[in-house]
Amino acid sequence: DAMVIQNPRYQVTQFGKPVTLSCSQTLNHNVMYWYQQKSSQAPKLLFHYYDKDFNNEADTPDNFQSRRPNTSFCFLDIRSPGLGDAAMYLCATSRDRGTSGRNEQFFGPGTRLTVL
Amino acid sequence: GDSVTQMEGPVTLSEEAFLTINCTYTATGYPSLFWYVQYPGEGLQLLLKATKADDKGSNKGFEATYRKETTSFHLEKGSVQVSDSAVYFCALSSTGGYQKVTFGTGTKLQVIP
Repeated sequence: DAMVIQNPRYQVTQFGKPVTLSCSQTLNHNVMYWYQQKSSQAPKLLFHYYDKDFNNEADTPDNFQSRRPNTSFCFLDIRSPGLGDAAMYLCATSRDRGTSGRNEQFFGPGTRLTVL
Repeated sequence: GDSVTQMEGPVTLSEEAFLTINCTYTATGYPSLFWYVQYPGEGLQLLLKATKADDKGSNKGFEATYRKETTSFHLEKGSVQVSDSAVYFCALSSTGGYQKVTFGTGTKLQVIP
């Protein structure tokens, strides 16, 4: 089955120690997204890639970076994690951005990040 | 800007009870509307969607109708099961340009045997 895969499912890091989260997709979708979801809150979009074009949300801290080396993979780098960065990180894909608003997003299972 | 308002949870129901989770939205133009479900410890899964007024999305016994006149997209199920216990997110995707999804804050449903 075509899907969105995130590794690892659980990640523990230390305060200030860089960490990288991974996402891969077999859907061959053009767009890949990273969301941050804190407990009992809605997912918050951090940024997205449209093909190789990186699009940062205005309120995403500089501490968060992303790389997309090819269509299938996208990485989330947190350069200096703080305690407030502990959250579930969700990767999603969509076929296109489009103008019809019909391009649904497919989510991975998420990576739960703990910062000690 | 776009926004989605959901009823606050948690919602606790007995098995086989009728479920309604209210959702209203504010958006320009004609957005697409979605319900996503998140089971404990997992990512979001698309439950159903509707792309134009009066469309009814349905899946796994859940239904929601796109009501433009009341800007609503309420989720309903006739008989809930324990396995339906999860968090449900209403969301919209605006038309035109970059399609960004706006989520509601989620409603936790707990179904007890």
